[in-house]
Amino acid sequence: NAGVIQTPRHKVTGKGQEATLWCEPISGHSAVFWYRQTIVQGLEFLTYFRNQAPIDDSGMPKERFSAQMPNQSHSTLKIQSTQPQDSAVYLCASSHWGAEQFFGPGTRLTVL
Amino acid sequence: AQSVTQPDARVTVSEGASLQLRCKYSYSGTPYLFWYVQYPRQGLQLLLKYYSGDPVVQGVNGFEAEFSKSNSSFHLRKASVHWSDSAVYFCALRRTGGYKVVFGSGTRLLVSP
Repeated sequence: NAGVIQTPRHKVTGKGQEATLWCEPISGHSAVFWYRQTIVQGLEFLTYFRNQAPIDDSGMPKERFSAQMPNQSHSTLKIQSTQPQDSAVYLCASSHWGAEQFFGPGTRLTVL
Repeated sequence: AQSVTQPDARVTVSEGASLQLRCKYSYSGTPYLFWYVQYPRQGLQLLLKYYSGDPVVQGVNGFEAEFSKSNSSFHLRKASVHWSDSAVYFCALRRTGGYKVVFGSGTRLLVSP
């Protein structure tokens, strides 16, 4: 089992460009979570999918951020018109329903 | 609403010494509790979890934690630390029947030679 896979590991974008982050959950896990980690804010919940359906996006900034899970093997987090304050490590996690979450290595996004 | 507090941002211990990292939570019920460790440039790895039963739970690499409902705490312990234990440790809580995990701010552990 390869664990949760996130690509790319590092992404550098210019201000105003789009960034798409990919997550492949552990096979068989029904739940996928996205978090943002910064020094100042710590770990922030962004959004949650269960059986590919969006359940809770209460942590997502209302503008520019969107997440999808088109099939059970991957989820994407898209940030449009990136801003310097979007610079962070974006973590994806997956789990069986009701069980502990397993995290990927994260994608470090740097917006210049 | 639930919350997790890790009062110590940084802890330094000597190699071979014992360790306790503190975690306090706020939740009216009995929560599910977790300790995760994060090594540099890596994601979070689960050390141990508490769902119910014996309040002392064993984890990987000699770590254990003790749940105390009366103190609303879930402190992490290790009898003898190794330099490779240097990392950031996160305490986390999930309410019974819920899915959202609330994380503490983390404690950076430095093990000195």
